[in-house]
Amino acid sequence: GAVVSQHPSRVICKSGTSVKIECRSLDFQATTMFWYRQFPKKSLMLMATSNEGSKATYEQGVEKDKFLINHASLTLSTLTVTSAHPEDSSFYICSARDFVSGGFNQPQHFGDGTRLSIL
Amino acid sequence: KQEVTQIPAALSVPEGENLVLNCSFTDSAIYNLQWFRQDPGKGLTSLLLIQSSQREQTSGRLNASLDKSSGRSTLYIAASQPGDSATYLCAVSNTGTASKLTFGTGTRLQVTL
Repeated sequence: GAVVSQHPSRVICKSGTSVKIECRSLDFQATTMFWYRQFPKKSLMLMATSNEGSKATYEQGVEKDKFLINHASLTLSTLTVTSAHPEDSSFYICSARDFVSGGFNQPQHFGDGTRLSIL
Repeated sequence: KQEVTQIPAALSVPEGENLVLNCSFTDSAIYNLQWFRQDPGKGLTSLLLIQSSQREQTSGRLNASLDKSSGRSTLYIAASQPGDSATYLCAVSNTGTASKLTFGTGTRLQVTL
């Protein structure tokens, strides 16, 4: 089955640091990947849609200069949290869909998430 | 704006019991609905996807139904096991924005011995 790998699984760093999170589709090509944020005991909130070879599409209220997204290949998207502060601490999850195999009715496959803690 | 609600928020059942999780959505113009499982501190595992033209999908002990006109879906788990303990999330994608998923708040299930 389709596998999405997310790395790192956990990051603890000081305020002001920039943190990069990688999301890879391991056995399929993903022209589109998605980045979500999840607060404790809350549901997932879509932050942005990452498009291979073009600019990401950000949801309302998400600062694009704060959360930089790069989707340089069909199997890799990265999310960089720039100058992170304690309020950026959260669980970040990426997903991808094997659009080639079945379009929008293919299920989205999720990475295992990254727990980001800013001290 | 699509809103997705899941009831109950938490559920505890003894092993072996059959159970139903509920999901409701406000905008019936959906493309599909997906049920996920999330273990603590982990990502999401896709369980079932129901296309808007379908009424139900089955996988093993899981059965998901969809009533698009009333904005409801249920996830039925037969003969529950302790390993089923997790948070279950439903998510819908709407026509016109078919790539995007709107998630419910989840049902936290605990199956006790």
